[in-house]
Amino acid sequence: GENVEQHPSTLSVQEGDSAVIKCTYSDSASNYFPWYKQELGKGPQLIIDIRSNVGEKKDQRIAVTLNKTAKHFSLHITETQPEDSAVYFCAASTNAGGTSYGKLTFGQGTILTVHP
Amino acid sequence: NAGVTQTPKFQVLKTGQSMTLQCAQDMNHEYMSWYRQDPGMGLRLIHYSVGAGITDQGEVPNGYNVSRSTTEDFPLRLLSAAPSQTSVYFCASSYSKLAPETQYFGPGTRLLVL
Repeated sequence: GENVEQHPSTLSVQEGDSAVIKCTYSDSASNYFPWYKQELGKGPQLIIDIRSNVGEKKDQRIAVTLNKTAKHFSLHITETQPEDSAVYFCAASTNAGGTSYGKLTFGQGTILTVHP
Repeated sequence: NAGVTQTPKFQVLKTGQSMTLQCAQDMNHEYMSWYRQDPGMGLRLIHYSVGAGITDQGEVPNGYNVSRSTTEDFPLRLLSAAPSQTSVYFCASSYSKLAPETQYFGPGTRLLVL
């Protein structure tokens, strides 16, 4: 099955700096890569996603890049703010095929702390 | 829309007890899933369902049962609780069963097994 590795496990930055979180995946059939943000005491919430036919996607201060050849993808947050502090999870998914249904496999998570 | 709701929010069990974690969604989503979250291990899929009457195992299904009698509800049953099942449990739903993209998560249930 799919295996997703996420680094770093913790990341501390100053307000205004950029933050980068990286993930690698093992299954070359994976074709959808979402990023989730989890605030304390809450469930994860989708913040951005990318499909395998796209190399980069931006949404205001966040962006995701995908390198299919190397099987890795990254989350970039620019001009970080204290409210960006949270746990971030990457995930990889394959579509349904044959008798199997699509499933998401998550990375281990990154605790991001933005210091004012 | 209430989205995805989970009950209870907190639960303490003794080893060997059974219980059911409730999950409901009001978005008419076909795909529902249960994850457990443990420190340093991310979210691991326990069971999932692609529609009423259809369920399948995820990565860590042992010790858990599920059923899906309606589109809205997807309860998770612990048959005989063990300390290793101490975790935070999240239910999620997604519109498409073919590719569970844009999953909406519930607020979670924190379970402690003594």
